[in-house]
Formats: sequence, structure tokens, C-alpha cells
Amino acid sequence: NAGVTQTPKFQVLKTGQSMTLQCAQDMNHNSMYWYRQDPGMGLRLIYYSASEGTTDKGEVPNGYNVSRLNKREFSLRLESAAPSQTSVYFCASPKGPEQFFGPGTRLTVL
Amino acid sequence: AQTVTQSQPEMSVQEAETVTLSCTYDTSESDYYLFWYKQPPSRQMILVIRQEAYKQQNATENRFSVNFQKAAKSFSLKISDSQLGDAAMYFCAYRSGTDDYKLSFGAGTTVTVRA
Repeated sequence: NAGVTQTPKFQVLKTGQSMTLQCAQDMNHNSMYWYRQDPGMGLRLIYYSASEGTTDKGEVPNGYNVSRLNKREFSLRLESAAPSQTSVYFCASPKGPEQFFGPGTRLTVL
Repeated sequence: AQTVTQSQPEMSVQEAETVTLSCTYDTSESDYYLFWYKQPPSRQMILVIRQEAYKQQNATENRFSVNFQKAAKSFSLKISDSQLGDAAMYFCAYRSGTDDYKLSFGAGTTVTVRA
């Protein structure tokens, strides 16, 4: 029972490159979430998916796209990376009333 | 997003002593949840404690306890008998009581434990 898994753990991109962050959960919950963590700002919601086939914008969606591939998987795509997207990215899914988080991806955009 | 405020960027505590972290939040809802998460250097987000707004009794988990003041919209975390392993960033978070599981986080408090 892995909970929430994310790949990759680390990534360095050049400005303008694209990449997809992968997330999978085995808690059989409908909802999945993507957050970013920046120094001094806590975690902020980028996008979420309340159920398979639906996605909604969170607090900071600009520059990102998401895909809810199936109930287990929720990916986050950066089409043209910018230095402002340098951050740590967390995927999360609920279990009971709480959110469980993946291990995070540290992304650096040069 | 709801506003969650942690006014202490850093706190330092002597091993075996007690430290209290502050958190205030802004909401017009009556049904909600509050959480404290711990983030050690590994960056894994670990749930420390949860409080349901409808419960008057303050939550406790071993050495961790909260002081939930609903009218004041305050939710502080007390760490008793601090241990070196408690050194981490601590985040206060708010979740609406609806089916929506979205979390609003404070900026975090870094706790240092002195041996």
C-alpha cells in the first residue's frame, strides 16, 4: 500500500522546455490535488480533480495543465517552463477527512 | 481560498521543553477541519494532528496537543517534551467541512530543537 506516489523526485529544466509530473494513488479516492510549495508561502493549490473526468483550477493555475487519466492517476504538465515555476510540487489525495501527500518533486527551471 | 496565518517564521526550543506554535484563520463557515502538518528535511508532509470544528474538546496525539479557540479563530499547537526529531517546518492548514478536500495553508513555522 504505497499511498500517493510521484515521479520524478528531482528535475532540472531550461526555460521553455516542457515536462509532465506524474502522480498515482492507491487509496481508491475520487479526489486528487496538485500543490506547489514556495519559501515563505506554504503550499498553494494549482489544480484539482474532484472525480475521474473532471478538473478545476485552484489558486495558482497559470502556466499549468492537468489530466485525470483514470481514477488512480493525475498528471501535471508544464508546457513552457519559466523560472517562476521553480518550486516543490506535491500531489495529494484524501483518506478519511485528511489529505495524504506524495513525496514531492523538486523542480528547478534555469 | 481561506486565509491561514502563522505569525512565527521560526521558533527554537530546548530539548525536553515545551514550544507553542500559533495559527489564526479567517472563515465564515461553521463546519470545517484544522490540521497541523510536519515537514522534516526529507520534505515529506506528515499529518500531526486534526481538529474538527464541531468538537469542543481539544485534540491530543501523544506529545502534541492543540488549543482550539473557535470564537477567536485560533488554533495553536503545543509540542511537549521536545525531541530532536521534532525539528521541522510545521504548517497549519484549513479545510472546509463540505465534500471538497482542498486545503489552505499558512506560511509555516520552522522549529529548531537545541540539544
